Formats: sequence, structure tokens, C-alpha cells
Amino acid sequence: GQQLNQSPQSMFIQEGEDVSMNCTSSSIFNTWLWYKQDPGEGPVLLIALYKAGELTSNGRLTAQFGITRKDSFLNISASIPSDVGIYFCAGQSISSGSARQLTFGSGTQLTVLP
Amino acid sequence: ETGVTQSPTHLIKTRGQQVTLRCSSQSGHNTVSWYQQALGQGPQFIFQYYREEENGRGNFPPRFSGLQFPNYSSELNVNALELDDSALYLCASSPTGVRTEAFFGQGTRLTVV
Repeated sequence: GQQLNQSPQSMFIQEGEDVSMNCTSSSIFNTWLWYKQDPGEGPVLLIALYKAGELTSNGRLTAQFGITRKDSFLNISASIPSDVGIYFCAGQSISSGSARQLTFGSGTQLTVLP
Repeated sequence: ETGVTQSPTHLIKTRGQQVTLRCSSQSGHNTVSWYQQALGQGPQFIFQYYREEENGRGNFPPRFSGLQFPNYSSELNVNALELDDSALYLCASSPTGVRTEAFFGQGTRLTVV
């Protein structure tokens, strides 16, 4: 199935450092979402973006909806150990049957070193 | 507010068998979607239900089917299980309206042997 191009695939950073990851697509999306998934759990919604150019923050997290509607990035500032996990971007589109389906990136595995 | 809950959490089935997975949507959400997540990959859209009707489907064969009930809970049924069906199955519920972000349950880990 189709997936978004998410990079980097993995990151090893020191506690306190800032992190940046991004997603690109050949398709336009109406909504971009960022999720975090811990082992054995379902994805947890971090940030939702609804307008091209929109910049939204959630605590230490900031995400932007690209102007072209084909990309998005997520920044995490001052990383802490509990930021460890897999981060997924997801673009939402409306299918022919009116379903709002998500297309996910392949994930960014974040490791925070003490 | 109750979140999305799925059952069972883990399941082992034999190739060729049938399986039913269950999902209770978040309070106030009338749309339910199902996703399959293979190890090391992002979730893949299976289908979505709204008002008890399937209103969209991903690239999955007909042996993947579903139901939505009047209380918005949902089932995913998979017939003639194959080894490649081993995955984490995720249910997500969404509200209708302008903001339609999807909220996921903890998933059901299905292993086909």
C-alpha cells in the first residue's frame, strides 16, 4: 500500500537536544496528523494540522502543515527520556466512498540517551 | 470520557481459521476505522464504517469484512487466515464535523501459525 516518505528512519540523541523529523508525499492531503507509538500500544495522537501553512504547538512539540500540502514536519525541543518511541506522520484524505482514511509514514524511531 | 478499547489484546490462530476482533469507539464518535500494522511498518487502512455502513476500503481482499453496530462499536472479521495476516490490528474512532482526527485503541496482536 501507499506510504509517505518519512525521515529519518531512526535517531539517537542526547537528552536535552532538539529533534526534527519530516514527511513528504506525492499526493495532497487535507489534514496532517502526528502520532507516537510505544511498543505493544496503539498510536497516540500528538498534533493535528488542518490548514496549509499552519504551525501548531503542543508543549515541547511543534508541527507544521506544508504550504504545498504535500509535506509536514515535527520538532521536539529539549528532549527527555519519555520521548523515546516511534513517531508516525499520517496524511488524511477522503476516499471515493467518503471515508476519511489515513496514509501513514514508515515511522521515525527516536532514542534519547541520558 | 472512555477511549477506544479493543479485545482481545492477543490472539493465536491456525492458518485457514477465522477470527473476529472487537472494538468499542470513544464516547461521541460515530465513525470507526480498522488498520493493519505489520512489524516495523506504519498502519495500513483496511476499511471504515459510518452509520453501520462501510464507506471506504483499502487494498485488502474480501475475506476481510466488518460490521458496525447501532452503539458505534465494530467488529473486524478475517476468514481463511494466512500467515501474512499476522500483525497488530488497530481500531480508530473519529467524530464527524470539521475536526476528524482519529483516536486509536491499544490494538489486537494476531499471530497466525
